[in-house]
Amino acid sequence: GAVVSQHPSRVICKSGTSVKIECRSLDFQATTMFWYRQFPKQSLMLMATSNEGSKATYEQGVEKDKFLINHASLTLSTLTVTSAHPEDSSFYICSARAWGGAQKETQYFGPGTRLLVL
Amino acid sequence: LAKTTQPISMDSYEGQEVNITCSHNNIATNDYITWYQQFPSQGPRFIIQGYKTKVTNEVASLFIPADRKSSTLSLPRVSLSDTAVYYCLVGDDSGGYQKVTFGTGTKLQVIP
Repeated sequence: GAVVSQHPSRVICKSGTSVKIECRSLDFQATTMFWYRQFPKQSLMLMATSNEGSKATYEQGVEKDKFLINHASLTLSTLTVTSAHPEDSSFYICSARAWGGAQKETQYFGPGTRLLVL
Repeated sequence: LAKTTQPISMDSYEGQEVNITCSHNNIATNDYITWYQQFPSQGPRFIIQGYKTKVTNEVASLFIPADRKSSTLSLPRVSLSDTAVYYCLVGDDSGGYQKVTFGTGTKLQVIP
């Protein structure tokens, strides 16, 4: 099946620093990737939709200047949490929509990145 | 976007068949139904997807009635390793991409 990777798997940073998270589709091309955030014991919340070669579309309430998304190629999207604060500590998960095959309508998820801001 | 409703939690003994039902009354013509499994601190894992009637793969079956307003994920003979949260998602591909909204999910606890 389609494989999506994320790097790093976990990161600890000081308040005020920026953190970049990479999401890669390893064996397929993804024109669209999605970024989610999940707090403990809660469901996934969609933050933004990342389209290759164009600006990301952010969900209501998500600050686009704080969560910078770049989708530079068909296999890579990055999320940068700028000037991170403790309240940004969360589990960030990306997904990529796979084209073709029996499951072309399906999103495949990365393993997630645990961010802890001290 | 079609909203989904699932039971918050379910318990089952090992070896039993588990059926988790999801309601999606506002499902649109273009919508597919997809189920994911999520373990703690991991990304969701695709289980099964369907549009209508019955779909079966090596891990689960998905039953969708004719009106498509609900769907049931069936896990045969669950084991302790099936303890996880299961999400039912309904997505629309008409806009060029499938944007979905996660509901609360169903936390399945398998008991020895």
